[in-house]
Amino acid sequence: AQKVTQAQTEISVVEKEDVTLDCVYETRDTTYYLFWYKQPPSGELVFLIRRNSFDEQNEISGRYSWNFQKSTSSFNFTITASQVVDSAVYFCALSEARTGRRALTFGSGTRLQVQP
Amino acid sequence: DGGITQSPKYLFRKEGQNVTLSCEQNLNHDAMYWYRQDPGQGLRLIYYSQIVNDFQKGDIAEGYSVSREKKESFPLTVTSAQKNPTAFYLCASSILIGEHEQYFGPGTRLTVT
Repeated sequence: AQKVTQAQTEISVVEKEDVTLDCVYETRDTTYYLFWYKQPPSGELVFLIRRNSFDEQNEISGRYSWNFQKSTSSFNFTITASQVVDSAVYFCALSEARTGRRALTFGSGTRLQVQP
Repeated sequence: DGGITQSPKYLFRKEGQNVTLSCEQNLNHDAMYWYRQDPGQGLRLIYYSQIVNDFQKGDIAEGYSVSREKKESFPLTVTSAQKNPTAFYLCASSILIGEHEQYFGPGTRLTVT
C-alpha cells in the first residue's frame, strides 16, 4: 500500500538558515506523482510542486529546491536562506497513476518555524 | 477570480444534528475531494468524485455523505453517526484525478458540542 512518511514533526530555524524537509514514500506502482504543499496559519493548502516518477531532475524555484531520488524513495524539499514568511506546515503527498490509489495520500506534515 | 469557496469559515453545531458543508469551484475541474484535518495531523480523505453523479469513499467515509449533482459543487454532510465530527474540513479540486495537482479551498472549522 502507498505511504508517505515525514519523520520531522517540527523544525525550528533562525532566519537566513537553510533547512531541508524530508519525505520518504512507499509505492508499488511504477508510475506515480509526488507533491509538496504549504499550509500557512490561515489553513488553506498552497500547491508548491509536482514531480512524476520518470523525472528525477532536481528542481529549483527561487529559494526553494527539491531533490527526488528514486533509489531511496525520497523527495526532499530545501528552503535556502529561510524567511519568517516560510513558517508553515509543509506536506508531502503521493498519488499512484495506474494500479493503486489515484487520490492523494498525505504525509503527517512538518511544522517549520523560522525565528527572526 | 477562479478558485474554490467553502462556507462558512466557522460552524458550530449541537451533537446529534446533521450539518452540510458547502464547496464550490469555478475552475472547471472534473475531480473534487473532501479531507478532514485534526490538530497536528495530516489530511485524511473522506470522499472524492471524479465526475458528476459519481463519487467514491475515501479512508474515513463513515458518518459522512456527499453528492455531486453539478460539476462545480460537492457538498459534504456530516451526519450524527460521525463519532468525532469536530475538525477542520478542506475541499479540493483538480483537473482530473491522479497526476494533477489539487487546489484547496480555505476550509471550514466545524465544532460540535
